[in-house]
Amino acid sequence: QVQLVESGGGVVQPGKSLRLSCAASGFIFKNYPIHWIRQAPGKGLEWVSVISPDGSNEYYSDSVKGRFTISRDNSKNTAFLQMNSLRPEDTAVFYCAYGPAYYYDSWGQGTRVTVSS
Amino acid sequence: QSALTQPRSVSGSPGQSVTISCTRTSNDVNYNYVSWYQHHPGKAPKVIIYDVTKRPSGVPDRFSGSKSGNTASLTISGLQAEDEADYHCCSYVGGYLFVFGTGTKVTVL
Repeated sequence: QVQLVESGGGVVQPGKSLRLSCAASGFIFKNYPIHWIRQAPGKGLEWVSVISPDGSNEYYSDSVKGRFTISRDNSKNTAFLQMNSLRPEDTAVFYCAYGPAYYYDSWGQGTRVTVSS
Repeated sequence: QSALTQPRSVSGSPGQSVTISCTRTSNDVNYNYVSWYQHHPGKAPKVIIYDVTKRPSGVPDRFSGSKSGNTASLTISGLQAEDEADYHCCSYVGGYLFVFGTGTKVTVL
């Protein structure tokens, strides 16, 4: 069955960096875009970034543009989110997700990122 | 600022029906592809409605979706204790892009 497993979260000081990973299995990874979505404490879900199936196109929300970089390694069925210049407002649970069409069919369990001094 | 507005919370007694609205505030949002996600704390979100009205296999038929004008809605009929969760609407924008609603907490009294 489809499985997405995030890792790499943790506690980090403002201005520092973290790299999240999303390991996928159970579907043809290279055929689908992969999204990162986050949920800050007490807030709704926020779409963060997406990468096209072949990795040639990347898109970001305005709140992370210029600080976060999404990438993928189709040979390892893994997507990444490099997060630089982290801010306290980036504190959230980060999920990776994918879907066959115009919705998200599968999500990971999430990895928690806390930005605090 | 989200382009989809939801009520912060709704509540109902077991067996009752509740409806959650999701109102589009931007015409950039393609409202033909609205999906709804149920999210229990500490778990992965789960799709319960996609393409406005379609229900994935395994989702009980007491969950239903609809749309009228700029507002999509999720109705839970015959509310059960396990339905207590956060519910998020989401709309496909175009290209690879999506936007989420502000989220609604459903409480079963």
